[in-house]
Amino acid sequence: DSGVTQTPKHLITATGQRVTLRCSPRSGDLSVYWYQQSLDQGLQFLIQYYNGEERAKGNILERFSAQQFPDLHSELNLSSLELGDSALYFCASSLTTSNSPLHFGNGTRLTVT
Amino acid sequence: DQQVKQNSPSLSVQEGRISILNCDYTNSMFDYFLWYKKYPAEGPTFLISISSIKDKNEDGRFTVFLNKSAKHLSLHIVPSQPGDSAVYFCAASGTGTASKLTFGTGTRLQVTL
Repeated sequence: DSGVTQTPKHLITATGQRVTLRCSPRSGDLSVYWYQQSLDQGLQFLIQYYNGEERAKGNILERFSAQQFPDLHSELNLSSLELGDSALYFCASSLTTSNSPLHFGNGTRLTVT
Repeated sequence: DQQVKQNSPSLSVQEGRISILNCDYTNSMFDYFLWYKKYPAEGPTFLISISSIKDKNEDGRFTVFLNKSAKHLSLHIVPSQPGDSAVYFCAASGTGTASKLTFGTGTRLQVTL
């Protein structure tokens, strides 16, 4: 158990809809990362927050947004969903922003129909 | 542009033998490298890491080797066990990447009896 909690585990929704994925980092970790894994692909970095502030952005679409709250949990909002957004979305956390391992949750599987 | 490459999508090894998983990178700014293991329906689990100031790091049955001049790293598992069957991801981070990890596409290892 990595200590990172993601909810929900599965989400099925229709095109055009909006969903929110939630992540609680490991106790004490200040940094939260979001990754997307499409079918048979590697993990693509979306966005990072550190202690409530956005720290780095990757290949995140404009339809997607995220935030980290004062209690350090994070939410990833996906809107105007398209079929191609179907993927596994992983959240990870780490203690610092310097080189340290990321600890991953078990992901949210999003299916857009 | 795939900055971290795992050119072998799959590898099959007999139990008790050595498993060698390879990874190449192109970004000279990478200075911290990690290996993750992923079972189905779970998030990636941190296995072992190496900083660019070293060329070898060992943890039990797992050893990571780094060849900076060749921009190549490898993970050795000795002896391989059936429980090691999983997808292994190589990842890298470095200066200016805010510790976000860039992942390879993974190698599926199957350890046979």
